[in-house]
Amino acid sequence: EPEVTQTPSHQVTQMGQEVILRCVPISNHLYFYWYRQILGQKVEFLVSFYNNEISEKSEIFDDQFSVERPDGSNFTLKIRSTKLEDSAMYFCASERDSGNTIYFGEGSWLTVV
Amino acid sequence: DAKTTQPPSMDCAEGRAANLPCNHSTISGNEYVYWYRQIHSQGPQYIIHGLKNNETNEMASLIITEDRKSSTLILPHATLRDTAVYYCIVRVDSGTYKYIFGTGTRLKVLA
Repeated sequence: EPEVTQTPSHQVTQMGQEVILRCVPISNHLYFYWYRQILGQKVEFLVSFYNNEISEKSEIFDDQFSVERPDGSNFTLKIRSTKLEDSAMYFCASERDSGNTIYFGEGSWLTVV
Repeated sequence: DAKTTQPPSMDCAEGRAANLPCNHSTISGNEYVYWYRQIHSQGPQYIIHGLKNNETNEMASLIITEDRKSSTLILPHATLRDTAVYYCIVRVDSGTYKYIFGTGTRLKVLA
């Protein structure tokens, strides 16, 4: 069964460093998402992406965050200058068409120290 | 904010049916109800979804009330591996479709 894959599974980074989280969505999917979950809290929407541009973003997704699909397969989330409060599990998700079911990856656990 | 409310926790005996309720009284006519679960801190796993009619798949059944203000997810024969947090989500159409997670129900299946 096709699945969304994410790398790295866990990353520890120093505060102020840049981090790139990578995702390979399911191959025929066109809509892509990033969500995050701070330990013990709810899964929160960050951003949706379609046709090489952001469709919608939450208030969490400020200027420190960016997304891109550089090579037609990977979908990346970049945090420019990490803060302690960015420590969370980041989930990538993809969807074949708008209004279909979205499927999540297993997550990338980011720890900022 | 999430458009759903769920009990924070439930227990179920192994082998018995687990019935997880969800209230979504402000659901709009074209908004779907989705159920996902999260085992430990793994990625949310899709279970089932529906609009008006009851739905069944290999994992679960979804019963939606006629007024669509509430629904119940049924795991017919719960196993220990079904211990997880179960999320009932109303998929919101805000130009793009958005899944807004609430706090979910923590289901513990007991041996």
